[in-house]
Amino acid sequence: EVQVVESGGGLVQPGGSLRLSCATSGITLTRDWMHWVRQVPGRGLVWVSRINRDGSLTTYADFVKGRFTISRDNAKSTVYLQMNSLRVEDTAVYYCVVGLGDYWGQGTLITVSS
Amino acid sequence: DVVMTQSPLSLPVTLGQTASISCRSSQSLVHSDGDTYLNWFQQRPGQSPRRLIYEVSHRDSGVSDRFSGSGSGTDFTLKISRVEAEDVGVYYCMQGTHWPPTFGQGTKVEIK
Repeated sequence: EVQVVESGGGLVQPGGSLRLSCATSGITLTRDWMHWVRQVPGRGLVWVSRINRDGSLTTYADFVKGRFTISRDNAKSTVYLQMNSLRVEDTAVYYCVVGLGDYWGQGTLITVSS
Repeated sequence: DVVMTQSPLSLPVTLGQTASISCRSSQSLVHSDGDTYLNWFQQRPGQSPRRLIYEVSHRDSGVSDRFSGSGSGTDFTLKISRVEAEDVGVYYCMQGTHWPPTFGQGTKVEIK
């Protein structure tokens, strides 16, 4: 059974940092690109970042570029999202996604508020 | 970025009837490799999205055959036959042909 489990969410003040983790099992992580997608509660889905199979290529949405960093540790079957300089508008549920939507985690809520 | 436009945004359906959701893209979704990366997702209330259909018309493992996808180029459709109560939720189309991947606004399916 494939499992995708995010962790690291929570409440943070504007300008603060958080590191999200995405642990996977039941799949060969090196098979796929990995993505982060976010969703403001009650709103639609927005792609945030992606990383290729060996971690050598990363891409970011313009609204997080320079603030967020995606990385992966294939030995630990884990993907990370380092989020710095957080803004109120970054408040959302963040999903870790395998491939182009093959598998999704349950999501982790980030709330940026003073 | 490619804009994905879904219609309708709200779809009340009678149990047992067929629901149809349209998704249009601002550019052709035919990739240079010949495939069309158009996926459909279901998000039930309080749950994560789940992929139903990939590459226009291929059902994911475990997905009911009541769900079917069709279309080409810039126009795509998701059909839900014999709608059941468990089909309630929001349905999204997503294109993966052009970077970044983009989603439609979502169509909320509810039971009349």
